[in-house]
Order: sequence, then C-alpha cells, then structure tokens
Amino acid sequence: AQSVTQLGSHVSVSEGALVLLRCNYSSSVPPYLFWYVQYPNQGLQLLLKYTSAATLVKGINGFEAEFKKSETSFHLTKPSAHMSDAAEYFCAVQGGNQFYFGTGTSLTVIP
Amino acid sequence: DVKVTQSSRYLVKRTGEKVFLECVQDMDHENMFWYRQDPGLGLRLIYFSYDVKMKEKGDIPEGYSVSREKKERFSLILESASTNQTSMYLCASKPGARGQPQHFGDGTRLSIL
Repeated sequence: AQSVTQLGSHVSVSEGALVLLRCNYSSSVPPYLFWYVQYPNQGLQLLLKYTSAATLVKGINGFEAEFKKSETSFHLTKPSAHMSDAAEYFCAVQGGNQFYFGTGTSLTVIP
Repeated sequence: DVKVTQSSRYLVKRTGEKVFLECVQDMDHENMFWYRQDPGLGLRLIYFSYDVKMKEKGDIPEGYSVSREKKERFSLILESASTNQTSMYLCASKPGARGQPQHFGDGTRLSIL
C-alpha cells in the first residue's frame, strides 16, 4: 500500500531563508512522487514530479526535491524564501490509478 | 495548458437537498477524480473514474455518487445533503498513463445549512 507522511503541519521561515518541507513515502513499487502547492481559495498546482529519470528534480518557482530511496524521502527545498511562497504544500505518491496525499504543510514567510 | 473547470466556486444548500457538483476538463484525459478537503485531513478521495461510465469508490464514498456520461465531464452528487458534508470539493483529471500528474480545478466551497 502507498502512503505519504509530511512532517510538520506548519513551518515558518524568514524571507530569504532556506525552505525545507519534509515528505516520507511508503510504496511497494518504485514510486511516482509529486509536490503540489495550494494558494488560498484555489486548487492544487503542480510544483514538480519524480518519475525515476533523475533523483534531483527541479520544479517551478525555484523549488526542487531530492528522491532518496534509502531514506524513503522526497523533501522539498528552496534556497531563498519569498513572501509569495506562503501557501499550503502537499506531497503525493501515485499507486495504481489513485494518488495518496499527505495532510499538507502550511508555509508562513516572515518579512 | 490543461483546464479543469468546476461549475461553482461557492455553493450554499440546505440539509436534505440533492446537490450536483460539475467538473469539466478540456484535455481528453481518461482519469477524473473527486476529493474533499478538510483542515488537518488533507485530500480524501471520494470517487474516481478511469473511463466513460466507469467509476471506482475512493476512501469516503458514503453519501455520494458520481456520473460520467461523457469523457470530459464528471459529476459528483450528494444524494441527501447533510451538514457534515460542508467542505471544499476538488475535481482533478489526468491522462491514463502512470506517472502523469493530476490537474486540479479551483474547487467548490460547499456549505450545507
């Protein structure tokens, strides 16, 4: 069975600081992994996806994520936080026809 | 760009009413999904469809049904709305191939009074 755990439901960073959002997955097969972002009162927007081509995946808005099989992790990072990064972030793993989402991490950026 | 359109952004209904939420995608995607999103619970899958007239129950199908008569349209039906169905509802679509991402609509915030 597939599942995703996001550590930390709320993360606060200062503007310009490193952003690190954690995601650990459980999958019985090589996983397809995704990060999505949700701004208030909007749907989810794809940030990046891992589909086994490369372990370091670059996405939109300066975000990237590294797939580490030994740690079953797919953490999301951005070197320098911007005020516009304040949003909710979801990690997801695909299993069969379904996606399994984490419970989300709300990112606050402090000016 | 993929466009997933949900018919209403905000909807207010009364308990016992039959409620229809509509979703249309313009990219000929095989798979379509309905989720509800509640604070602290993330996204929970209600139903999904992998082809026209096909449907599969997700994690929380009780109190809901779905209809997919055409490939581009996937409807969620609350048979008899109850206050515990007040939530944000999100529709998504994706191509049938594995590894392809889901594309989401903007959501419908439904209030049942």
